[in-house]
Amino acid sequence: SQQGEEDPQALSIQEGENATMNCSYKTSINNLQWYRQNSGRGLVHLILIRSNEREKHSGRLRVTLDTSKKSSSLLITASRAADTASYFCATVGGGSNYKLTFGKGTLLTVNP
Amino acid sequence: DGGITQSPKYLFRKEGQNVTLSCEQNLNHDAMYWYRQDPGQGLRLIYYSQIVNDFQKGDIAEGYSVSREKKESFPLTVTSAQKNPTAFYLCASSPQGGLDTGELFFGEGSRLTVL
Repeated sequence: SQQGEEDPQALSIQEGENATMNCSYKTSINNLQWYRQNSGRGLVHLILIRSNEREKHSGRLRVTLDTSKKSSSLLITASRAADTASYFCATVGGGSNYKLTFGKGTLLTVNP
Repeated sequence: DGGITQSPKYLFRKEGQNVTLSCEQNLNHDAMYWYRQDPGQGLRLIYYSQIVNDFQKGDIAEGYSVSREKKESFPLTVTSAQKNPTAFYLCASSPQGGLDTGELFFGEGSRLTVL
């Protein structure tokens, strides 16, 4: 069953704008991870945030985690056309640290 | 370069035929995984292997089989028992110790179409 659910399903913005994607999950987690997938390609890991962390930065990426609300957000600042991709959140938890459960993803389109 | 190689990239199969997807990694990772991706459904775990000669079913293992005879290789067989095999299949690996502190490294995928 799907653990994470991303919102919105699709997002279209102009280059230079910020993009915010949200993820909600249902059960307790060890960590939450964000991945990126270009069309027809494999996924690439972006950032991992542990359950005891509230915010993490990596370059133009900022991830927050609110375990009380079981939600996370991914912010991409100063977006570029090359950021166009699908973005997935995934959670580790539920008794197995080998099972990463993915949401359905947000399709981000950055228009030049 | 280190990475995960999946082959073939595209595969067509007739109904009733078994097909095997190859996954090879040279990252020296202990754990390997197979995911299936359908449009609008995200990724679903088929099988995973924490170590050589051992593997566990994921959420949608029915109609699939795997083997892990070598650390580098984790082939997936889609059998004729899989009722809707047309999908994009992704292989991944992770270092020793699981995903508590580490992430998945993915191959480029194999797209299977049943005619």
